[in-house]
Amino acid sequence: EAGVVQSPRYKIIEKKQPVAFWCNPISGHNTLYWYRQNLGQGPELLIRYENEEAVDDSQLPKDRFSAERLKGVDSTLKIQPAELGDSAVYLCASSLDEWQGFGGYTFGSGTRLTVV
Amino acid sequence: GNSVTQMEGPVTLSEEAFLTINCTYTATGYPSLFWYVQYPGEGLQLLLKATKADDKGSNKGFEATYRKETTSFHLEKGSVQVSDSAVYFCALLTGTASKLTFGTGTRLQVTL
Repeated sequence: EAGVVQSPRYKIIEKKQPVAFWCNPISGHNTLYWYRQNLGQGPELLIRYENEEAVDDSQLPKDRFSAERLKGVDSTLKIQPAELGDSAVYLCASSLDEWQGFGGYTFGSGTRLTVV
Repeated sequence: GNSVTQMEGPVTLSEEAFLTINCTYTATGYPSLFWYVQYPGEGLQLLLKATKADDKGSNKGFEATYRKETTSFHLEKGSVQVSDSAVYFCALLTGTASKLTFGTGTRLQVTL
């Protein structure tokens, strides 16, 4: 079974440029999470989807960040425009549903973003 | 709100030494507790979990016991290997929050 797939693995952009990250969760997993991990820190939730609905986006900086999960499968996280402080690893995770998440999420390998 | 506090690293041990990484938590409700491991250049992998008080999670020689009275979930391993070198994250999940809350991570370096 394929795990959670993220792309690209690495991205370097200049500040003020747009950037997008893509995530394909495990097949059949209805719940999808985007986390941001700053250097030397633990991951922090940006947004959680139940199927195609964003049920928790309280930590998403909505002035520059947006996300979508069309058809309740793949998801895209976008930053426009990027700032220097957005440099981090962006992690996608999925679980069968919100309650199966108590068994642990499955994380992708992440996208390391560097804004210069 | 929910929070997790881990001992600061790095923790440097010789191979075959005993490992303890401390983790304490604050949570509303009755959390499930997790340890995740992150090897260099990779994503987070679930190492072990415990869903209620006094449960012991174990995997790959690592163990952690859910202690409600001390709000702790310390990670232990009797004999570490060089291949255990990684960053270890303690995390909790509650039904009210529906999101994993992580500690800041503890880097473990094991030398020959």
